[in-house]
Amino acid sequence: QVQLVESGGGLVKPGGSLRLSCAASGFTFSDYYMSWIRQAPGKGLEWVSYISSSGSTIYYADSVKGRFTISRDNAKNSLYLQMNSLRAEDTAVYYCARQAAANWFDPWGQGTLVTVSS
Amino acid sequence: SYVLTQPPSVSVAPGQTARITCGGNNIGSKSVHWYQQKPGQAPVLVVYDDSDRPSGIPERFSGSNSGNTATLTISRVEAGDEADYYCQVWDSSSDHPYVVFGGGTKLTVL
Repeated sequence: QVQLVESGGGLVKPGGSLRLSCAASGFTFSDYYMSWIRQAPGKGLEWVSYISSSGSTIYYADSVKGRFTISRDNAKNSLYLQMNSLRAEDTAVYYCARQAAANWFDPWGQGTLVTVSS
Repeated sequence: SYVLTQPPSVSVAPGQTARITCGGNNIGSKSVHWYQQKPGQAPVLVVYDDSDRPSGIPERFSGSNSGNTATLTISRVEAGDEADYYCQVWDSSSDHPYVVFGGGTKLTVL
């Protein structure tokens, strides 16, 4: 079945870096756009970044532009999010999600928690 | 930037119909998608492209979209429908496409 599994979350100090990974299985990964979406504790959903199937098109939310970098390795069926200059407000559960071209997200991974705190 | 407005909460008795709205400027011209999120779980797509249902989603879930309001309707509400619901659109009106989520609505089954 289609499955997305995130990893790489944890506790990091403000200004630090973290790299999240998302392992995909059960579908042809290279055919799909992918996104990262986050949810701060007790808050709603916030889209973070999107990457096209080939990796040639990338967009970021203004809140992370210049600090986060999305990438993918289609040979490894994996999606990544490099997060630099982390701030307390980046504390959230980070989900990867398969994206129908410029449309809906289905399915979502189980999420990985990133906590930015001194 | 485009804004989607949802009521913070909706309450309904079991067996009744719940309607969750999502307001946005001329949202009827966009495709709206809806997600259900239960506590401690990842969101699940329940309606896409305004009114289509993914496989496995009960027919009790339906959607509509017109003018400035999209609506998720849950018929014959069950206790298991209690969750947070989010609407979402893809805003391509500028040169920087953006994914927009509504603030979420907590559905309480009385």
